[in-house]
Amino acid sequence: DAGVTQSPTHLIKTRGQQVTLRCSPKSGHDTVSWYQQALGQGPQFIFQYYEEEERQRGNFPDRFSGHQFPNYSSELNVNALLLGDSALYLCASSLVPHTEAFFGQGTRLTVV
Amino acid sequence: AQKVTQAQTEISVVEKEDVTLDCVYETRDTTYYLFWYKQPPSGELVFLIRRNSFDEQNEISGRYSWNFQKSTSSFNFTITASQVVDSAVYFCALSEARSQFYFGTGTSLTVIP
Repeated sequence: DAGVTQSPTHLIKTRGQQVTLRCSPKSGHDTVSWYQQALGQGPQFIFQYYEEEERQRGNFPDRFSGHQFPNYSSELNVNALLLGDSALYLCASSLVPHTEAFFGQGTRLTVV
Repeated sequence: AQKVTQAQTEISVVEKEDVTLDCVYETRDTTYYLFWYKQPPSGELVFLIRRNSFDEQNEISGRYSWNFQKSTSSFNFTITASQVVDSAVYFCALSEARSQFYFGTGTSLTVIP
């Protein structure tokens, strides 16, 4: 049973560019959440998708957007990249409500 | 306001020692969930335990044990007879009404052989 898979694992982008990160949830899970983890910090909630709609959003600007597909996979898009967007981006899948969330290995984004 | 506080930033212990990681949370909800996750250097967050607000029974799983006390808003995690493989960053997390997770800042545990 494959867990949560994310791609790519590492990415280097230039300031001002746009990036798309991808996530496939654990089999049987229909809810996907995205988190940003800056170095030395805990993960911060970006948003959550369920039934192809954004259900919840954390305190992140509109430059951060997402999408969920009918197969429950998800994308995170970040526009106009800033140096401060450099972080580990984690995808988590779960069955709502409140079951344990399973996390992927993350995508390490570096903005230069 | 910080919802989850992990006051211990870094802990070092010698192998086979016991170690307790502290977690204090803040919420106004009567229904909530508490979690512990382990993050090894590879980056993936590994689920360890979930507790709901109505279940204060402590739990032991092998070398791991958890102490949930609503009276002090604490959910502490103890590793007995620590091993080098336990070295990682450990996160405590709180989930309220809609399953968004609030993570603490993590405790970096180093087990010295």
